[in-house]
Amino acid sequence: GAGVSQTPSNKVTEKGKYVELRCDPISGHTALYWYRQSLGQGPEFLIYFQGTGAADDSGLPNDRFFAVRPEGSVSTLKIQRTERGDSAVYLCASSLLGGNNEQFFGPGTRLTVL
Amino acid sequence: GENVEQHPSTLSVQEGDSAVIKCTYSDSASNYFPWYKQELGKGPQLIIDIRSNVGEKKDQRIAVTLNKTAKHFSLHITETQPEDSAVYFCAAWNSYGKLTFGQGTILTVHP
Repeated sequence: GAGVSQTPSNKVTEKGKYVELRCDPISGHTALYWYRQSLGQGPEFLIYFQGTGAADDSGLPNDRFFAVRPEGSVSTLKIQRTERGDSAVYLCASSLLGGNNEQFFGPGTRLTVL
Repeated sequence: GENVEQHPSTLSVQEGDSAVIKCTYSDSASNYFPWYKQELGKGPQLIIDIRSNVGEKKDQRIAVTLNKTAKHFSLHITETQPEDSAVYFCAAWNSYGKLTFGQGTILTVHP
């Protein structure tokens, strides 16, 4: 079956611009996670959705980052006033039940802020 | 918060040899420990996981061991093949309800 998909695969933007990154989870998965992966590092937690609500957004680095999941399926990560330090791969994962259960990762979106 | 340390950062082996990657964690309440394989340009893929109620789990050439007392767990790959070359990440699910990843190990298997 279809896995987690993310679009775009690559995004190049200029400092100060606004970007949106999209995640399509596996159908039926109630839990959705966003991670950020810098070069040579492991993924770092950003935000977790259970259904439509953000159950835990403690990993968002500052108020320039925001994410939504209005219908409990597709999620969008939004970054305002991008900075060069935001350059990274943004990974999305989904899980059937959430909690300490397997997370399935998408291929990621590579964001480059010039 | 949880801290997960992973070693070594790079590992080079000959085809057919075994490879071992070790991780330690700080939160004694952690109860789920997955291992992910990440190939270039792709997202992490789960290869094996272990829960805190068992000490060892094996799946063909891959095995994971867990020592709760010492708070460390290890990945063992036997009879390595060139297609095993990738970056491997350990992770721990902690009492804060988050998955914390190690820094990764770049495994290279030489034919």
